[in-house]
Amino acid sequence: DTGVSQDPRHKITKRGQNVTFRCDPISEHNRLYWYRQTLGQGPEFLTYFQNEAQLEKSRLLSDRFSAERPKGSFSTLEIQRTEQGDSAMYLCASSLGLAGGVISDTQYFGPGTRLTVL
Amino acid sequence: GQQLNQSPQSMFIQEGEDVSMNCTSSSIFNTWLWYKQDPGEGPVLLIALYKAGELTSNGRLTAQFGITRKDSFLNISASIPSDVGIYFCAVRTGTASKLTFGTGTRLQVTL
Repeated sequence: DTGVSQDPRHKITKRGQNVTFRCDPISEHNRLYWYRQTLGQGPEFLTYFQNEAQLEKSRLLSDRFSAERPKGSFSTLEIQRTEQGDSAMYLCASSLGLAGGVISDTQYFGPGTRLTVL
Repeated sequence: GQQLNQSPQSMFIQEGEDVSMNCTSSSIFNTWLWYKQDPGEGPVLLIALYKAGELTSNGRLTAQFGITRKDSFLNISASIPSDVGIYFCAVRTGTASKLTFGTGTRLQVTL
């Protein structure tokens, strides 16, 4: 079990550029979540996948953000036309879903991708 | 916005001291979780609580699920330098079981 991995760990970009982050969940985990964490705050939910289906999106996820999980394994989060306000840590988490028990389904987090928009 | 309020916001303690922090909400939740986050890393689950009144331990950590289901506390006994970090409470909401995190308690330990 290698845990949840995210790539890149750090990304610096100029305002207006597009960026893409990748998340590889724990093998056989059905659920995948994206969260955003700004400095001094707790993580905030962005979106959720059950296998390849994106089932829920937060109002924080503007139309410049898009997430995919094409084969139900890894996921990508793309931000188009980045703004300085997009600077944050983007965290990915995965869980077994119903197979792990509805009540005790634990989300395991990756190390995050820290985005800085200049 | 955040629904969970944690206190204290930060604390400096000496190695060997016991630590207590809590998390309160105006809403009822059925699951309370405590995570720790080290600098530059993602949160790591410490303790999960599933039943009102439940008291659960994990090594030097003890957490309780408040009887009203609107609060929880976390105690750390005999703190050591590696306890440094930010502690978050969290609750699960909705069919997606997404997590809502508290505002965090930053713990710093002096030797």
